Amino acid sequence: DARVTQTPRHKVTEMGQEVTMRCQPILGHNTVFWYRQTMMQGLELLAYFRNRAPLDDSGMPKDRFSAEMPDATLATLKIQPSEPRDSAVYFCASATGQGIGQPQHFGDGTRLSIL
Amino acid sequence: AQKITQTQPGMFVQEKEAVTLDCTYDTSDPSYGLFWYKQPSSGEMIFLIYQGSYDQQNATEGRYSLNFQKARKSANLVISASQLGDSAMYFCAMRGDRDDKIIFGKGTRLHILP
Repeated sequence: DARVTQTPRHKVTEMGQEVTMRCQPILGHNTVFWYRQTMMQGLELLAYFRNRAPLDDSGMPKDRFSAEMPDATLATLKIQPSEPRDSAVYFCASATGQGIGQPQHFGDGTRLSIL
Repeated sequence: AQKITQTQPGMFVQEKEAVTLDCTYDTSDPSYGLFWYKQPSSGEMIFLIYQGSYDQQNATEGRYSLNFQKARKSANLVISASQLGDSAMYFCAMRGDRDDKIIFGKGTRLHILP
């Protein structure tokens, strides 16, 4: 079964440190999404890409967050500098991009704790 | 603007009973899709079922079915013969025809009691 792979699964670091989260989308999927999940806000879309081009990053704090797709098999989400309020679970999801009915398939998430 | 509303923050149901999880939506898009996802305590997001706005029949996938009432803008998830493993958070989600984004509701936490 094809899966979205996210690394690391867990990350604990101190405030001010750079954090990089990685995602390998399902082979053949051309749309990639980054979400953040917290108890208070639920699931928030941070950014998404189609064919490696960023289409929407309006949900992302621009001053400290950046998202890229260096190639079709890798998406990255970076936080620099990190803050305690960034503590959350970050999900990557991918989809085929072919029609409304195609679901997004999620990775297992990166649980981030900023001390 | 698109919106998904799940009014039941939590539900307790006896094992083997049927469960209905409510979802209402709002959109101005002429064509749209509705999804349900399950998030167990382990944290992963699992796609369950999809309903297209122009589908003539309600979607079914095993014990899951979607009670789609377009005029009422509701897309309730029905789980038949609930099992202990159905205990999880359930999210209703919608995608319009303008872009790839899916918006999610706040979720309903379902507890199945033995």
